[in-house]
Amino acid sequence: KAGVTQTPRYLIKTRGQQVTLSCSPISGHRSVSWYQQTPGQGLQFLFEYFSETQRNKGNFPGRFSGRQFSNSRSEMNVSTLELGDSALYLCASSLAGMSTEAFFGQGTRLTVV
Amino acid sequence: AQSVTQLDSQVPVFEEAPVELRCNYSSSVSVYLFWYVQYPNQGLQLLLKYLSGSTLVKGINGFEAEFNKSQTSFHLRKPSVHISDTAEYFCAVSALRGGADGLTFGKGTHLIIQP
Repeated sequence: KAGVTQTPRYLIKTRGQQVTLSCSPISGHRSVSWYQQTPGQGLQFLFEYFSETQRNKGNFPGRFSGRQFSNSRSEMNVSTLELGDSALYLCASSLAGMSTEAFFGQGTRLTVV
Repeated sequence: AQSVTQLDSQVPVFEEAPVELRCNYSSSVSVYLFWYVQYPNQGLQLLLKYLSGSTLVKGINGFEAEFNKSQTSFHLRKPSVHISDTAEYFCAVSALRGGADGLTFGKGTHLIIQP
């Protein structure tokens, strides 16, 4: 079966712009989580959506937001981009959440210039 | 809140030698434990997980890990490594009842296999 698909794979944006990243989970998975990976901070949890509801949220500013659609696809939005937002953004899908196996996409590499 | 410490940022090992990657965690609640592997320019792949039961967990690619509650450790081992095992390895925890932390990852250990 198809894995987790993230689009686009690479993005270059200018400071102050906004960006939307997309994640299509594995068919049948209802939980989608987002993570930010940087060399300095490592992997940090952004938020988790389950059945269109945000279930958990990490410690990120309000510029980072997300949503989940009825088909479980999820989008993540970052507004007013800062240089420090440059990172690999990873999406993970699972059947029911953290206790079940999470399958990660290949990520979206965002570069803010 | 929980935290994960991977004691070694980099571990060089000769091919066919055994390896142990160390992981210690801290949490005020019971947790699930995971090891993930990340190859260059790729996402994360689950190697193994501990949810409950036997403290020795076997995973893919010949890896295994042992959960030690008293030492709050979850070290990853492989008896004989191959060149293809060169990658970044992440230990992670999540609270049994979910929570704001989601999956909490360690900083990662870069496993370098030398021929």
